[in-house]
Amino acid sequence: SQQGEEDPQALSIQEGENATMNCSYKTSINNLQWYRQNSGRGLVHLILIRSNEREKHSGRLRVTLDTSKKSSSLLITASRAADTASYFCATDSGGGNKLTFGTGTQLKVEL
Amino acid sequence: NAGVTQTPKFQVLKTGQSMTLQCAQDMNHEYMSWYRQDPGMGLRLIHYSVGAGITDQGEVPNGYNVSRSTTEDFPLRLLSAAPSQTSVYFCASSQKRGETQYFGPGTRLLVL
Repeated sequence: SQQGEEDPQALSIQEGENATMNCSYKTSINNLQWYRQNSGRGLVHLILIRSNEREKHSGRLRVTLDTSKKSSSLLITASRAADTASYFCATDSGGGNKLTFGTGTQLKVEL
Repeated sequence: NAGVTQTPKFQVLKTGQSMTLQCAQDMNHEYMSWYRQDPGMGLRLIHYSVGAGITDQGEVPNGYNVSRSTTEDFPLRLLSAAPSQTSVYFCASSQKRGETQYFGPGTRLLVL
């Protein structure tokens, strides 16, 4: 079963706008990670936020984590056409090497 | 560094055939995993390894075998291919348990 569920499933915005996608999960976690996947390619790691952190930044990316609500959000500011991709959240709940991925948000940034 | 490499990029099999998907990493990572990705279902963990000689099952292990004889290599074997195994397969490695995973480019498998 999926641990993380992204919302929305698809998002279309204009270049320059901000994009926000959300991830909800079910069990307690050690960390939550966001990945990007360009069409037909492997996943690329974007950012990792630990359970004792509330917010993290990396360039144009801002991730928040609310462990009480079991949710996270990824904000991409000043989006570019090159940001067009699918974005996945993944949670580490401990044990083995079991990252559990959500179903992803498809982001389309139009010129 | 080449990172994580996978071969082949694309494969067509007939039902009942067997094959091995190759995965190698040159980052000296202890942890390696195999995922399959199906439309609308994200990535699902098939098998994983926490070091040479140690493997364990993930979420969807049936029909697949793995072994880890070296740190670098983590092959995935399909014992008797079925159409339900048509998917894109990704191998990933990480330095520490549960930390950032580095993905290979994937293998697209079509089982007829």
